[in-house]
Amino acid sequence: EAGVVQSPRYKIIEKKQPVAFWCNPISGHNTLYWYRQNLGQGPELLIRYENEEAVDDSQLPKDRFSAERLKGVDSTLKIQPAELGDSAVYLCASSPEAGEVTGELFFGEGSRLTVL
Amino acid sequence: GNSVTQMEGPVTLSEEAFLTINCTYTATGYPSLFWYVQYPGEGLQLLLKATKADDKGSNKGFEATYRKETTSFHLEKGSVQVSDSAVYFCALTNQAGTALIFGKGTTLSVSS
Repeated sequence: EAGVVQSPRYKIIEKKQPVAFWCNPISGHNTLYWYRQNLGQGPELLIRYENEEAVDDSQLPKDRFSAERLKGVDSTLKIQPAELGDSAVYLCASSPEAGEVTGELFFGEGSRLTVL
Repeated sequence: GNSVTQMEGPVTLSEEAFLTINCTYTATGYPSLFWYVQYPGEGLQLLLKATKADDKGSNKGFEATYRKETTSFHLEKGSVQVSDSAVYFCALTNQAGTALIFGKGTTLSVSS
């Protein structure tokens, strides 16, 4: 069974440029998460989807970040315009559970963004 | 809100040494607790979990016990191997129980 697939693995852009990350969760996983991991830190939640609905976007900086999961399967996270402080690894995770987390979140390998 | 604190690294051990990585938490209610591991070049993966007080999670020789009285979930292994070299993250569910909050991670390096 394929795991969570993310692309691109690496992206280098100049500040003020836009960037987008794509995530394809494990088949049948209705819940999808985007996390951001700064260097030397643990992952921090940006947004959680159940199917196509963003059920928790309270941590998403909405002035420059947006996300979508139009058909309830794959998802895109966009930053426009990027700032130097956005350099981080963007992680996508999926889960077959809705609501409370009691089992495993399955993570992709992440997309490493460097903003120059 | 809920939060987790884990010991700073790096932790450097010789093969077959005993490992402890401390993790304490602050939470409202009764969160579930997790240890995730990230091997070099790989994504985060679940190592073990415990969903209620006094539960012991175990996997690959690692263990951790959910201690409500000390709000701790320390990770232990009796004899580490070079292949255990990785970054270990302690995590707990958020107040709503719908996402995970991670610690900063502890890097473990095991030499032969």
